[in-house]
Amino acid sequence: AQSVTQLDSQVPVFEEAPVELRCNYSSSVSVYLFWYVQYPNQGLQLLLKYLSGSTLVKGINGFEAEFNKSQTSFHLRKPSVHISDTAEYFCAVRRYNTDKLIFGTGTRLQVFP
Amino acid sequence: GAGVSQSPSNKVTEKGKDVELRCDPISGHTALYWYRQSLGQGLEFLIYFQGNSAPDKSGLPSDRFSAERTGGSVSTLTIQRTQQEDSAVYLCASSLVGEKLFFGSGTQLSVL
Repeated sequence: AQSVTQLDSQVPVFEEAPVELRCNYSSSVSVYLFWYVQYPNQGLQLLLKYLSGSTLVKGINGFEAEFNKSQTSFHLRKPSVHISDTAEYFCAVRRYNTDKLIFGTGTRLQVFP
Repeated sequence: GAGVSQSPSNKVTEKGKDVELRCDPISGHTALYWYRQSLGQGLEFLIYFQGNSAPDKSGLPSDRFSAERTGGSVSTLTIQRTQQEDSAVYLCASSLVGEKLFFGSGTQLSVL
């Protein structure tokens, strides 16, 4: 079975600073990887996804993530965060041959002025 | 509809009572998912449907939990004999096969 680990439950950062949210997965088969974001009082929405091809994927709002197969990681990065990036971020994994999507426990990004 | 609709938005119940949570997916979406969100637990997978069948029920916490989907559309999650540890936000999502999930706003369940 696949699983997802988000090592940081909370990440505080000042505005305009860079940020990295860590995600590691485990699976015995190939997977697709996703980051979803939940803004305060809103539903979850897709931020970006890795299906195949280039290991560096770009998403909405200036976020990007890099798939590293050898380290089984899919860390999310942004070079300069904004107050409006304050939200809960969830990493998720899905095996090739299934539609079952497993989420991590989430990382709360808090951006301070 | 325009999005995934869940009802009720809030449900307060007494321990031991049964509750039914409803999800109306986006029209045409064949996949439907139920998750539970609670503090410190992230998004816990419960069950998903492809059409009316549920290929994976492994996430249901106990036999008090059940779900069905009819007509490839509306789904109902039923919790029997609710316990306080069932208190959480129950999220429904739908998608086309292999595509991104669209989430509803959730049902906040409080078991007193």
